[in-house]
Amino acid sequence: GAVVSQHPSWVICKSGTSVKIECRSLDFQATTMFWYRQFPKQSLMLMATSNEGSKATYEQGVEKDKFLINHASLTLSTLTVTSAHPEDSSFYICSAPKTGTSARSYNEQFFGPGTRLTVL
Amino acid sequence: KQEVTQIPAALSVPEGENLVLNCSFTDSAIYNLQWFRQDPGKGLTSLLLIQSSQREQTSGRLNASLDKSSGRSTLYIAASQPGDSATYLCAVMGGAQKLVFGQGTRLTINP
Repeated sequence: GAVVSQHPSWVICKSGTSVKIECRSLDFQATTMFWYRQFPKQSLMLMATSNEGSKATYEQGVEKDKFLINHASLTLSTLTVTSAHPEDSSFYICSAPKTGTSARSYNEQFFGPGTRLTVL
Repeated sequence: KQEVTQIPAALSVPEGENLVLNCSFTDSAIYNLQWFRQDPGKGLTSLLLIQSSQREQTSGRLNASLDKSSGRSTLYIAASQPGDSATYLCAVMGGAQKLVFGQGTRLTINP
């Protein structure tokens, strides 16, 4: 498999502050990464696609000025939750597709361990 | 718009049983289908990936099948163990490598 890491694994912040979450592909390069959020006992909802060297593309209903995404290199994407509010509290997960050399593994997505954000 | 449904939402079985988890999707124009496992408070672990041209994949006690024309996939777990307890998610990949997830099946294996 491939390894994707996230940092921090959990964060607690005060309402109105900004929080940055990092997503790294440790053993492969990823020109594209994805950011999801997951509410308790619910499935993952795609928020945005992070593109290395260009702007992120956001899913309908996701505020791009609130959730800033930067794909700084082929192994790092960051999600910044600006002016966080309690309703932003959630589990944020990133993923990266690894283009394998075999047809079997082509476009397999690997996920980070997630970041638990709690906004007080 | 692609919709993915997983049945059942929850399943509890005694250890040792074989079981089947179901996943259906509305748009058959997919690139692949992936099954994941998620433990509470954790990220996702990829279990099996089936390309759109394939019918099934196997890994150990797990076997996943794909019938793209009917929009269905199944995950078969043989000889279940308590360590298999987790939420199982299926996801289909459409354009731009985007995944659409089902709601998951919460599996409990009782010792």
